[in-house]
Amino acid sequence: NAGVTQTPKFRILKIGQSMTLQCTQDMNHNYMYWYRQDPGMGLKLIYYSVGAGITDKGEVPNGYNVSRSTTEDFPLRLELAAPSQTSVYFCASSYTRTGENYGYTFGSGTRLTVV
Amino acid sequence: AQKVTQAQTEISVVEKEDVTLDCVYETRDTTYYLFWYKQPPSGELVFLIRRNSFDEQNEISGRYSWNFQKSTSSFNFTITASQVVDSAVYFCALGTGFQKLVFGTGTRLLVSP
Repeated sequence: NAGVTQTPKFRILKIGQSMTLQCTQDMNHNYMYWYRQDPGMGLKLIYYSVGAGITDKGEVPNGYNVSRSTTEDFPLRLELAAPSQTSVYFCASSYTRTGENYGYTFGSGTRLTVV
Repeated sequence: AQKVTQAQTEISVVEKEDVTLDCVYETRDTTYYLFWYKQPPSGELVFLIRRNSFDEQNEISGRYSWNFQKSTSSFNFTITASQVVDSAVYFCALGTGFQKLVFGTGTRLLVSP
């Protein structure tokens, strides 16, 4: 199994450009998430989805958009990139069985620099 | 609101020393789950352990052990006889049945030979 696959691994954007970070999982997990990791700040939740067609904001959603048209894919869109969006982005997925929380499977991350 | 505090920003030890990484959490939920993840220099996030709030038994896995104490809202992680390969950032996380995890800010462990 591939698990959670993120592309690209690295990207440099100019201020004002847009891009989409791709995330796909092959584990049939219903929950998917986008986090950003800034130095010394841990991981902050940007958006999450509890299933196809359902998304919701996390702690730091401004400047980002998501969609979830299929169970497998959860792309993150950056519109009008700003230097404050320079970060490492992680996609993750999870499942629940009888309401328990089994934690996340993470992708390998995307390192984004906005200049 | 849920919160995880990892007060130790960075710890440096010499190989073969024992080291404990602290994690203190806050939640009003009676059912919750605690996790530790490892982030080596390569950057990926690796799952280490999951513990639910009803299981206060300590766990040992090789050189790793975890001490869960509900009375002090702590879930500490000890590495015995540390090795250079243990050098990484370690994250503690808290979750409920709603699946979202809240992460601490991480502790960077540097093990020198």
